[in-house]
Amino acid sequence: GENVEQHPSTLSVQEGDSAVIKCTYSDSASNYFPWYKQELGKRPQLIIDIRSNVGEKKDQRIAVTLNKTAKHFSLHITETQPEDSAVYFCAASRGTNAGKSTFGDGTTLTVKP
Amino acid sequence: DVKVTQSSRYLVKRTGEKVFLECVQDMDHENMFWYRQDPGLGLRLIYFSYDVKMKEKGDIPEGYSVSREKKERFSLILESASTNQTSMYLCASSLPTGRGLRGYTFGSGTRLTVV
Repeated sequence: GENVEQHPSTLSVQEGDSAVIKCTYSDSASNYFPWYKQELGKRPQLIIDIRSNVGEKKDQRIAVTLNKTAKHFSLHITETQPEDSAVYFCAASRGTNAGKSTFGDGTTLTVKP
Repeated sequence: DVKVTQSSRYLVKRTGEKVFLECVQDMDHENMFWYRQDPGLGLRLIYFSYDVKMKEKGDIPEGYSVSREKKERFSLILESASTNQTSMYLCASSLPTGRGLRGYTFGSGTRLTVV
């Protein structure tokens, strides 16, 4: 089955700096890669996603890049703000099998004011 | 605006009890999932369903079963609760790929403690 590894497990940055979280996956058939943000005590929420036919996607201060050859994808957050502090999860899924996702273990991002 | 509802936010049960966790979604999603979330282990898939009365095992199905009698409702059953099933349980739903899969919508979670 699919295996997703996520690094780092914790990340601390100063407000205004950039943050990068990286994930690798094992199943070359995976073709959909969502990222979720989970604030303390709340449910995970989808913040951005990318499909395998796209190399990069951007939405305001967040962007995701995908390298299919190397089987890794990354989340980039620019101009970080304290409200970006949360746990971020990457995931990978195929288009088949109900789109079930395999998740990374999560990265706890702390943005210091 | 709540779209995936889990019946209990906190639950305390005794070892050996049969436990039912309920999840209801109002988005007409075909796919529904049950994950458990443990510190340092991320989200692990227990069971999922892609249609009414259909179910498939995820990565950690042992000790659990599920029921999906209606499209909007997906129930997780702990046949005989054990202390190692103490965890946060997250329900999620999604559209199928053919209808524009855009990730999951999660419920708020049920924090289950088995004593």
